[in-house]
Amino acid sequence: DTGVSQDPRHKITKRGQNVTFRCDPISEHNRLYWYRQTLGQGPEFLTYFQNEAQLEKSRLLSDRFSAERPKGSFSTLEIQRTEQGDSAMYLCASSGVGWMNTEAFFGQGTRLTVV
Amino acid sequence: AQTVTQSQPEMSVQEAETVTLSCTYDTSESDYYLFWYKQPPSRQMILVIRQEAYKQQNATENRFSVNFQKAAKSFSLKISDSQLGDAAMYFCASYNFNKFYFGSGTKLNVKP
Repeated sequence: DTGVSQDPRHKITKRGQNVTFRCDPISEHNRLYWYRQTLGQGPEFLTYFQNEAQLEKSRLLSDRFSAERPKGSFSTLEIQRTEQGDSAMYLCASSGVGWMNTEAFFGQGTRLTVV
Repeated sequence: AQTVTQSQPEMSVQEAETVTLSCTYDTSESDYYLFWYKQPPSRQMILVIRQEAYKQQNATENRFSVNFQKAAKSFSLKISDSQLGDAAMYFCASYNFNKFYFGSGTKLNVKP
């Protein structure tokens, strides 16, 4: 296991199209986070899972965004009817149990460009 | 609200010199964790150093150390003997309420 992997690395889509991103966490990690990062800003929390349960979703997240983590393994983030404002880097991170859940390992991100 | 503030958008340091990056935070929790993450250009974020709020001793990791002032809610990162490979965006972050809160980052340039 070489770490958190995200696919695709880059995605260009037309406004109004749906897109789906995938994240494969470190295998023994039970927590998985999605963050969004725009240019010149720090990552902004979107949602997180403990195993397969989605425990929290940012109030800033519109209903066009949905995330799943079936069987507590990989996760997908879907954006429906994309808008230009959705253009950003989408980061996935995972962390372990107990005190280890405070150390997050990040993937390389998926850069979304909406044209 | 949980906020993390980095007031230095960009800093420069000469190779082999020492630089300090500033960070302040605000939290209502008594137990929390603080971090510095490094994000090289087009590469993933990696953890540089972590501090548990209940520990009074400042964390150190080789050339990286922190100055944790709990009462002032200040958490600065000192990089000693700066190397060209230290050039990156540095993000200060806090962990509380089961998630991480990040500052806006400081871009560190290292001059040869």
